[in-house]
Amino acid sequence: DILLTQSPAILSVSPGERVSFSCRASQNIGTSIHWYQQRTNASPRLLIKYASESISGIPSRFSGSGSGTDFTLSINSVESEDIADYYCQQSNSWPRTFGGGTKLEIK
Amino acid sequence: EVQLQQSGAELVKPGASVKLSCTASAFNIKDTYIHWVKQRSEQGLEWIGRIDPANGSTKYDPKFQGKATITADTSSNTAYLQLISLTSEDTAVYYCVVGLSAYWGQGTLVTVSA
Repeated sequence: DILLTQSPAILSVSPGERVSFSCRASQNIGTSIHWYQQRTNASPRLLIKYASESISGIPSRFSGSGSGTDFTLSINSVESEDIADYYCQQSNSWPRTFGGGTKLEIK
Repeated sequence: EVQLQQSGAELVKPGASVKLSCTASAFNIKDTYIHWVKQRSEQGLEWIGRIDPANGSTKYDPKFQGKATITADTSSNTAYLQLISLTSEDTAVYYCVVGLSAYWGQGTLVTVSA
């Protein structure tokens, strides 16, 4: 199975700051990584697919980058509504796996 | 409006089985893959498996083989997740989702308790 390691476990930033989430894969997965946001008591929602492809309806402050084993989700200017858990998922091989998640806190 | 409507919360006894449903609106599930994801309280997301409703083919995480069975009924536009031999480890919220899309169900809470 492909192991996805997300770091750090918790990020604490001030509104307006730029923040980056890391996701590292245990083997080369090309760009088959996808990012999800999960707010408290809500279903996850897809933010970015295939490492950097934007999703309709998602604010432009969210962007993704990376290929191979190292991937990054960035939020350009954090807003209070971005408080959530963020997960990466790979679709390179079976079984599909998720990272352990990063919690975003606002200072 | 595109929607995935999941069945209601379940309280089941250890050793029992449960079958969760996920009914699609405004699209045909035969045109998609339907995945199921597990989330225990305060924990991360676990991928269980997926079905291609057009032909019934399935893929599972080996961790869930023998525990979970995913099926689909295209006539009712509904996917199902059956869980057997339930234990406290199966207490979780279960989500259905159209693969790589914005469309997630609202989740079904399964509580396993005597």
